[in-house]
Amino acid sequence: EDKVVQSPLSLVVHEGDTVTLNCSYEVTNFRSLLWYKQEKKAPTFLFMLTSSGIEKKSGRLSSILDKKELFSILNITATQTGDSAIYLCAVEAYNNDMRFGAGTRLTVKP
Amino acid sequence: EPEVTQTPSHQVTQMGQEVILRCVPISNHLYFYWYRQILGQKVEFLVSFYNNEISEKSEIFDDQFSVERPDGSNFTLKIRSTKLEDSAMYFCASREGPTMKYGYTFGSGTRLTVV
Repeated sequence: EDKVVQSPLSLVVHEGDTVTLNCSYEVTNFRSLLWYKQEKKAPTFLFMLTSSGIEKKSGRLSSILDKKELFSILNITATQTGDSAIYLCAVEAYNNDMRFGAGTRLTVKP
Repeated sequence: EPEVTQTPSHQVTQMGQEVILRCVPISNHLYFYWYRQILGQKVEFLVSFYNNEISEKSEIFDDQFSVERPDGSNFTLKIRSTKLEDSAMYFCASREGPTMKYGYTFGSGTRLTVV
């Protein structure tokens, strides 16, 4: 059965800290791995990763995929209170399914 | 920036009633999806839709559920004979094509409360 596992489930840090969120997966016919940020309602897109070893960056956020070991990490440097959210990892298969992990709830304290 | 629009934002219905959740995907998008998120739980895939037919559905998407695109713009999810456990946030999503670079776009969701 396909599965996407995120860790930790919850994380509390202080502003300025760096965090690393993990996502491992077992999905048949893997196509891509996506990271989303969910604050109040709909998930908002962060990154889409399809190739191993190529880091994607957007400001203080970066992510990388390891297709051999079947995992991805999302790094956030110099965290701010506005980074507080649930970070969702989703894996897309070639049949158009997208399966989400349970998410990591990040709380950044001032 | 183009948006996926969902209506209503909140629906309260009595158990056993039918509800229709509506979505207007981004106009040049071809692939459409419904997801649900029970409060405090993870986002779950329900169904994907392409070329006017279901391309994939999860085990959650049983005979109680149906989808259609009646007029080329709206994309609806119908839930028949609602149960208490159908209470959740339902998200519609769309994307341009199979090789889309920027991922899916989600609507802001419909919160369904079954009482």
